[in-house]
Amino acid sequence: EDKVVQSPLSLVVHEGDTVTLNCSYEVTNFRSLLWYKQEKKAPTFLFMLTSSGIEKKSGRLSSILDKKELFSILNITATQTGDSAIYLCAVVASGSARQLTFGSGTQLTVLP
Amino acid sequence: DGGITQSPKYLFRKEGQNVTLSCEQNLNHDAMYWYRQDPGQGLRLIYYSQIVNDFQKGDIAEGYSVSREKKESFPLTVTSAQKNPTAFYLCASSPRFNSPLHFGNGTRLTVT
Repeated sequence: EDKVVQSPLSLVVHEGDTVTLNCSYEVTNFRSLLWYKQEKKAPTFLFMLTSSGIEKKSGRLSSILDKKELFSILNITATQTGDSAIYLCAVVASGSARQLTFGSGTQLTVLP
Repeated sequence: DGGITQSPKYLFRKEGQNVTLSCEQNLNHDAMYWYRQDPGQGLRLIYYSQIVNDFQKGDIAEGYSVSREKKESFPLTVTSAQKNPTAFYLCASSPRFNSPLHFGNGTRLTVT
């Protein structure tokens, strides 16, 4: 059974701090790993990672994948209160008609 | 504007009643999905459909039913057989299999 584990489950920081969110996985026939940000409603897509060691970056957010050690990290630098959300990690297995296996998410709270 | 529309946003039902959640997309996406999200848990797949008139059970299909008579629409019925129906339900679509999902804003269902 495919498995995705995120840590920590929750995190409280102050504005300006840098955070690192972790996602480890056990998946047969790994194809890609995705990060989503969920505020109150719909998760919004952040990154899709398919290759090891290649950093994806968008503003203050960046992510990298390690296919040997089976994990990914999502970094957020200079956090702002608007970064407060649940961050979801999901893995796609090749040939899987079930699409994505999601982790339980990390609840990030950024205090002013 | 293209997107996924879920309605209603909030739904309250008495135990023993069936209820149907609406999901409509105008993105011309082939694949559509229903997920359930409980507090502290990731998204769990209920049903998915890769093409009109075809759908498959996900990991937690018991007590739910769907139909896919039109490409744009993928309604979910929560039946009285579902033991713990109170949850946040998210509908998603993707242009093709294994591409990032686009999510609706969700329906929060409360059954008392």
